[in-house]
Amino acid sequence: NAGVTQTPKFQVLKTGQSMTLQCAQDMNHNSMYWYRQDPGMGLRLIYYSASEGTTDKGEVPNGYNVSRLNKREFSLRLESAAPSQTSVYFCASNQGRGAYFGPGTRLTVT
Amino acid sequence: DAKTTQPNSMESNEEEPVHLPCNHSTISGTDYIHWYRQLPSQGPEYVIHGLTSNVNNRMASLAIAEDRKSSTLILHRATLRDAAVYYCTPWGGAQKLVFGQGTRLTINP
Repeated sequence: NAGVTQTPKFQVLKTGQSMTLQCAQDMNHNSMYWYRQDPGMGLRLIYYSASEGTTDKGEVPNGYNVSRLNKREFSLRLESAAPSQTSVYFCASNQGRGAYFGPGTRLTVT
Repeated sequence: DAKTTQPNSMESNEEEPVHLPCNHSTISGTDYIHWYRQLPSQGPEYVIHGLTSNVNNRMASLAIAEDRKSSTLILHRATLRDAAVYYCTPWGGAQKLVFGQGTRLTINP
């Protein structure tokens, strides 16, 4: 099992550009999450999906949209990137016995 | 959401036990207490979870207070590789999984 995979690993965007971060899990988990982690800070929840077809806002949803494409995949879209969105983005999945995290995407917005 | 309180930082010596406390006084009756850790430059990883009884696994032990308002993660013999940020978080199923600031654990050789 690959666990939770994220693409890309690194990305540099200019202000105003858009992009989609991809996340997939092969553990048949119902719940999936997107977090951001700024340097030296803790994890902040952006959006989560309790099951296929549902999504809910987390702590910091502004500037982001998500799609739970199917049970495996949960994507995060930045429609118009801003320097304040420079961060490391983690995807996770959970079935109640512990969440599994992907390796992260390091995003820089200039 | 249940709020958690953890010390910002703790320090211990290699091969000694470490007790990491967490207060979660607003935890609901059905929430499990989960612990995660984040090694430097890595994503978080699951450590252990429990509901009411103390729990053990190969990584750590979890001691849960009788009133469930606090818990303690126990590393029995700390190694340098245990240096990380440790997060506790109550979680009850199909709900958002949020993290506090965690405890930064430093292990001295």
